[in-house]
Amino acid sequence: DSGVTQTPKHLITATGQRVTLRCSPRSGDLSVYWYQQSLDQGLQFLIQYYNGEERAKGNILERFSAQQFPDLHSELNLSSLELGDSALYFCASSVHHTNYGYTFGSGTRLTVV
Amino acid sequence: DQQVKQNSPSLSVQEGRISILNCDYTNSMFDYFLWYKKYPAEGPTFLISISSIKDKNEDGRFTVFLNKSAKHLSLHIVPSQPGDSAVYFCAASASGSSNTGKLIFGQGTTLQVKP
Repeated sequence: DSGVTQTPKHLITATGQRVTLRCSPRSGDLSVYWYQQSLDQGLQFLIQYYNGEERAKGNILERFSAQQFPDLHSELNLSSLELGDSALYFCASSVHHTNYGYTFGSGTRLTVV
Repeated sequence: DQQVKQNSPSLSVQEGRISILNCDYTNSMFDYFLWYKKYPAEGPTFLISISSIKDKNEDGRFTVFLNKSAKHLSLHIVPSQPGDSAVYFCAASASGSSNTGKLIFGQGTTLQVKP
């Protein structure tokens, strides 16, 4: 157990639907990152939050949004889902906003059918 | 545009021998590099890192080498053990003025260490 908790572990949904992925960071960590891993691809950076504020944004689609709440947990919202959104979504956390050796959760596998 | 590339999707080595995993990058602004290891059904785990001011960093059986002029880094595992069998990701950051923890990852190399 890495200390970063992601729920749910698996999610199957239909095209056009909306889902929410949840991440609880490791205790004491203020920064949360979201990454997407599609089939045979590396991890693609989506977004970073630090202490409730958006810190960095990657190539995140407009259909996707995220937020970090006062208790530091984070949610990634994916809407108008398409088949191509099927992927593993990882959350990671770190103490500082520039700490690269962060801790990943085990991921949420999203399947859009 | 793949800024970090791991051109070998897979590598197989015998237990006790050296494993060498390679990574190339294109962005000259990258100044910090990391290797992560990933087992099935788990998230990636940080393994070792190197700053661009160094050309080598060692941690036990793991050594990372950086060749800035060639924009190339490699991870050496000596001796390789069956438990090292996993997917290895190279990652890079341009810390500069970005002041974030954003990483650019390669596609990964699957290492199999045979007993």
